[in-house]
Amino acid sequence: GIQVEQSPPDLILQEGANSTLRCNFSDSVNNLQWFHQNPWGQLINLFYIPSGTKQNGRLSATTVATERYSLLYISSSQTTDSGVYFCAVEEAGGYNKLIFGAGTRLAVHP
Amino acid sequence: AAGVIQSPRHLIKEKRETATLKCYPIPRHDTVYWYQQGPGQDPQFLISFYEKMQSDKGSIPDRFSAQQFSDYHSELNMSSLELGDSALYFCASSLGTGGNTIYFGEGSWLTVV
Repeated sequence: GIQVEQSPPDLILQEGANSTLRCNFSDSVNNLQWFHQNPWGQLINLFYIPSGTKQNGRLSATTVATERYSLLYISSSQTTDSGVYFCAVEEAGGYNKLIFGAGTRLAVHP
Repeated sequence: AAGVIQSPRHLIKEKRETATLKCYPIPRHDTVYWYQQGPGQDPQFLISFYEKMQSDKGSIPDRFSAQQFSDYHSELNMSSLELGDSALYFCASSLGTGGNTIYFGEGSWLTVV
């Protein structure tokens, strides 16, 4: 099956700093989504981005499908950005489920 | 906008007991997925249904079963519970299969004691 690797595994930031999270995947995908899991366990949809670039406020994401990676950019980080960021992909070829990476654990300190 | 609704949000069961989780997908969504997330782990796919038929199966134990009903809600039944079944269980839904955004519920916390 498809492999999903996220880096870095852990990240500590001062409030106001910028960061880039990376997701590599081993095969073609129909779907790629970024999620933020908050300390209460909720999985929040950030982006549906199988290709191209999207922006939503301080967050933006880029997926280069031909090179099998996606990047999540967080600018001017806030303490509420803390949590785990997951990349999840749906393998091309009729498989209709998301496979998650191991996540990047982000801590933003004031 | 309506989201995926899961119930109960929290439950505590003893070993060898049975638990049932319910999931109500976003209106008009015809595909439901179940995931299990253990402590410090990423969500693992268990099973999915499309138009009330099982469409895919992942690492779901034989002690677990699930189905999707005529109103598209789904239930995950877990029997002979073990301590290792303690986890956060997510239900998710989408419109159709393949390449559409998948939306997750808030999860059901199961603790087995």
